[in-house]
Amino acid sequence: EADIYQTPRYLVIGTGKKITLECSQTMGHDKMYWYQQDPGMELHLIHYSYGVNSTEKGDLSSESTVSRIRTEHFPLTLESARPSHTSQYLCASSEGGQGKAFFGQGTRLTVV
Amino acid sequence: GQSLEQPSEVTAVEGAIVQINCTYQTSGFYGLSWYQQHDGGAPTFLSYNALDGLEETGRFSSFLSRSDSYGYLLLQELQMKDSASYFCAVRALVSGSARQLTFGSGTQLTVLP
Repeated sequence: EADIYQTPRYLVIGTGKKITLECSQTMGHDKMYWYQQDPGMELHLIHYSYGVNSTEKGDLSSESTVSRIRTEHFPLTLESARPSHTSQYLCASSEGGQGKAFFGQGTRLTVV
Repeated sequence: GQSLEQPSEVTAVEGAIVQINCTYQTSGFYGLSWYQQHDGGAPTFLSYNALDGLEETGRFSSFLSRSDSYGYLLLQELQMKDSASYFCAVRALVSGSARQLTFGSGTQLTVLP
């Protein structure tokens, strides 16, 4: 039912590298979100978008940036990765007033 | 901002009924959602309450009291596969017309045989 995709699933990179985590959805949803989640912990909202060219920072301070040039695409970029960025990053999208968000499978990032 | 509180852990046996509570503080409240997440998996949507009362979906029910800023998820006839983390999430107006989805810290449910 949910058509939201994240790539890559797993990524190990060195400190200082620039990376982009991809997220695409084919449902035409206006709202998209990026969450950061450590194992067994809560989801922290780091960015959200409620439409093309509209992005906002979430509650958790993040050194990442996002863009929303197309409805279906919401990439997240880290300009210079650090070990503290090691975490799982979950992308989600939603539409309408039902509080129902669809999540991608996540990208598990390790910065060494 | 928003804040949500839910118990960190709940344990029950197969076939039992368990209730996971969630209290929240937020302005611009629109509704309360519940999500299930198995280890290593993505959260999946269970239910959404915008109005007071009980919503039933199979073995799962969700309740909301807007005046008490409180809701709960009720799981009946527990099965081993229900062992997972359960998150409540508030949908609230943040700025302009933007409605943000903020998650609680999650409740780890363990179902014992």
